[in-house]
Amino acid sequence: ETGVTQTPRHLVMGMTNKKSLKCEQHLGHNAMYWYKQSAKKPLELMFVYSLEERVENNSVPSRFSPECPNSSHLFLHLHTLQPEDSALYLCASSQDGTSYGYTFGSGTRLTVV
Amino acid sequence: DQQVKQNSPSLSVQEGRISILNCDYTNSMFDYFLWYKKYPAEGPTFLISISSIKDKNEDGRFTVFLNKSAKHLSLHIVPSQPGDSAVYFCAARTSGSARQLTFGSGTQLTVLP
Repeated sequence: ETGVTQTPRHLVMGMTNKKSLKCEQHLGHNAMYWYKQSAKKPLELMFVYSLEERVENNSVPSRFSPECPNSSHLFLHLHTLQPEDSALYLCASSQDGTSYGYTFGSGTRLTVV
Repeated sequence: DQQVKQNSPSLSVQEGRISILNCDYTNSMFDYFLWYKKYPAEGPTFLISISSIKDKNEDGRFTVFLNKSAKHLSLHIVPSQPGDSAVYFCAARTSGSARQLTFGSGTQLTVLP
């Protein structure tokens, strides 16, 4: 399998639930990212991991908790979310020195009810 | 405040004609710009990029133009094809934060047969 794989593709959760989003990259890249895409808004950077170390946290609420156990896997743990957190969550990876920026996964469409 | 702006949320073009997608930026430290294309239910995919030392980059039917003095770039697609119908995102980064892309809100291009 190649590229960046995200699971699940769709997720509906209640505000009291705990769930996790998973991302896996098979490209040997050295950085991974979580982005949030809400309707009609720019993609918002949430977290950046480089070689398993978090290097960026753009003021994301603590109800979103990332985890990067190794350079190929990235998780986003979700708990006590709000309806306004409903969005498309995109994972991406990159390799320093390349010209094409990120390789994105297909995203997880999250709906909080 | 959005540093990368795509002021046209949508654009319709006849097949075979030219599509011109525009992007403005405010951060003069940006020195590398990228365009991504996104189909429904898929993640964005890299299309073309340009360094700030150039004013034009061409790849087949796709050409990106950069006007640094106006802080403006545009993507030209000639000739447009129905398969080009997608959301196009403009993105930018600085050399000091090469891993962090700042995205615009996207333009939905519809190419009519």
